[in-house]
Amino acid sequence: GQSLEQPSEVTAVEGAIVQINCTYQTSGFYGLSWYQQHDGGAPTFLSYNGLDGLEETGRFSSFLSRSDSYGYLLLQELQMKDSASYFCAVRVINTGKLIFGQGTTLQVKP
Amino acid sequence: NAGVTQTPKFQVLKTGQSMTLQCAQDMNHNSMYWYRQDPGMGLRLIYYSASEGTTDKGEVPNGYNVSRLNKREFSLRLESAAPSQTSVYFCASSEALGPTEAFFGQGTRLTVV
Repeated sequence: GQSLEQPSEVTAVEGAIVQINCTYQTSGFYGLSWYQQHDGGAPTFLSYNGLDGLEETGRFSSFLSRSDSYGYLLLQELQMKDSASYFCAVRVINTGKLIFGQGTTLQVKP
Repeated sequence: NAGVTQTPKFQVLKTGQSMTLQCAQDMNHNSMYWYRQDPGMGLRLIYYSASEGTTDKGEVPNGYNVSRLNKREFSLRLESAAPSQTSVYFCASSEALGPTEAFFGQGTRLTVV
């Protein structure tokens, strides 16, 4: 089967940098994606890593290492509006199945 | 620019009642998904449809059925609701297999009493 593990909660202060890790067990997948969800809202897409390495999109970066079955989302210059839940996800090869981790709740404090 | 539309937004059911959650997307996506979200459990896949005419079980399919009515619409049915099905349900769609972004509806908050 497939599973993705994330820390349940992370706390950081405004202006800091935080890293949210995702380790996975899956036989084959197209790449690792990250989604953000604010309280009461729908998840929205943040980033995607198809290949190993770092992808940068503004204040957010995401990293994938297939050999280590590991990825992370890096948020820099944290702002209060970054307080949300963050999910890693994979699309399983040849099935179309899109599987999510349990999510990490990020609390940004002043 | 509607994206993914779910109806209803809120629903209260009595145990044993049935209902259908509706989902429609206007992005011409091939793949559609139903998830449930419970506190601390993340997004769990109930059923998905990789393309029109196909449906497959996800991680937690028991107690649910789905219909891919056409390319736009994918409905989720609870035949006999149970309190354990109290949850927030999200429908999502994406273009195809492969590395594509999924778009989510605003969710249906279902309470079974």
